[in-house]
Amino acid sequence: DTAVSQTPKYLVTQMGNDKSIKCEQNLGHDTMYWYKQDSKKFLKIMFSYNNKELIINETVPNRFSPKSPDKAHLNLHINSLELGDSAVYFCASSQAPPSTYEQYFGPGTRLTVT
Amino acid sequence: AQTVTQSQPEMSVQEAETVTLSCTYDTSENNYYLFWYKQPPSRQMILVIRQEAYKQQNATENRFSVNFQKAAKSFSLKISDSQLGDTAMYFCTISNFGNEKLTFGTGTRLTIIP
Repeated sequence: DTAVSQTPKYLVTQMGNDKSIKCEQNLGHDTMYWYKQDSKKFLKIMFSYNNKELIINETVPNRFSPKSPDKAHLNLHINSLELGDSAVYFCASSQAPPSTYEQYFGPGTRLTVT
Repeated sequence: AQTVTQSQPEMSVQEAETVTLSCTYDTSENNYYLFWYKQPPSRQMILVIRQEAYKQQNATENRFSVNFQKAAKSFSLKISDSQLGDTAMYFCTISNFGNEKLTFGTGTRLTIIP
């Protein structure tokens, strides 16, 4: 059984388009995250939700909007895609308090903007 | 703010040998958690080992162990009897207690040579 799943795994799109990435976890965790991994493999947190509430919102362009319909799902919508948005996006989840527990990561979504 | 520094971008070692990956960090907090995550070519992020800062005893997990030096803010990972499956990017990370944000280092690419 997949613990944290993301769809799609690969996404190729043109500049200016709007796209969404979906994430689901079946671990019963309260907290979910979105991370961005750039071409140099550097991982940086973007957002965190705890029980559907936004608790971390790093310096991310307004074109990125997370949405958590329930605590098992955290989707990422990106408007007006730019070349610099090309990266691998990881969803993760953890128990609360999340700082003390491991985070379980999804397989990542490789986004390529042309 | 917290920072993590991994000074070894790449390392390689013969199969069955022991290798140590370095990590230093900086935080103003006294209560925090340190992790090593592994990212093999499959891209999946996997927890390797976890250390609570308030514990003096170094964490071990089978062939993986850490050397945690709190005063020096050092957290190195030792892999004994290295195996081909250990080939991966290794990320050192820190999380302050009560803060849900994981801060990642830049990673060390480890290659195990047959």
